[in-house]
Amino acid sequence: KAGVTQTPRYLIKTRGQQVTLSCSPISGHRSVSWYQQTPGQGLQFLFEYFSETQRNKGNFPGRFSGRQFSNSRSEMNVSTLELGDSALYLCASSPGRSSGANVLTFGAGSRLTVL
Amino acid sequence: GIQVEQSPPDLILQEGANSTLRCNFSDSVNNLQWFHQNPWGQLINLFYIPSGTKQNGRLSATTVATERYSLLYISSSQTTDSGVYFCAVAGGGFKTIFGAGTRLFVKA
Repeated sequence: KAGVTQTPRYLIKTRGQQVTLSCSPISGHRSVSWYQQTPGQGLQFLFEYFSETQRNKGNFPGRFSGRQFSNSRSEMNVSTLELGDSALYLCASSPGRSSGANVLTFGAGSRLTVL
Repeated sequence: GIQVEQSPPDLILQEGANSTLRCNFSDSVNNLQWFHQNPWGQLINLFYIPSGTKQNGRLSATTVATERYSLLYISSSQTTDSGVYFCAVAGGGFKTIFGAGTRLFVKA
């Protein structure tokens, strides 16, 4: 079956703009989580959604937001972009019913560059 | 929150050598996974191992939950094993915390 699909794969924005990234999970998976990866901070948890509800979020400013649709596809949005938002944004999907059994499958990522 | 420490941070091996990567975590977890990130950024799940021992080919992993650590063993390393290995844990709140990773380079 198809894996986790993230679009776009690469994008360049300028400071002050906003960006929307998309993630389509594996068919049947209802949990989608997002991560930011930078050389300085490593892999950091952004938020997790299950059945259109955010179940947990990381320590990021309110400029970072997300949502999940009824078909489990998810989007994340970053508004008023800053240079420090340049990163690889990774999405993972999992069946999601229980934390203990959440085996994550990652997409290839969206690499954002902010100029 | 849960803290995750991985060691060593960097590792250089000759092809064919064996290695052990360690992951320590600061609190009880109900989910622990090992990932390999290739040079193109793709994260591949190697093991889901909140406790016990598993093996998959040249790779094996052991988690001792009561002592809060996990080990990833790589035997007969190959150049294709190069990349970054991450340990990731969750403590029950659907929030996955990653360690800083071990960067492995295998020389031919």
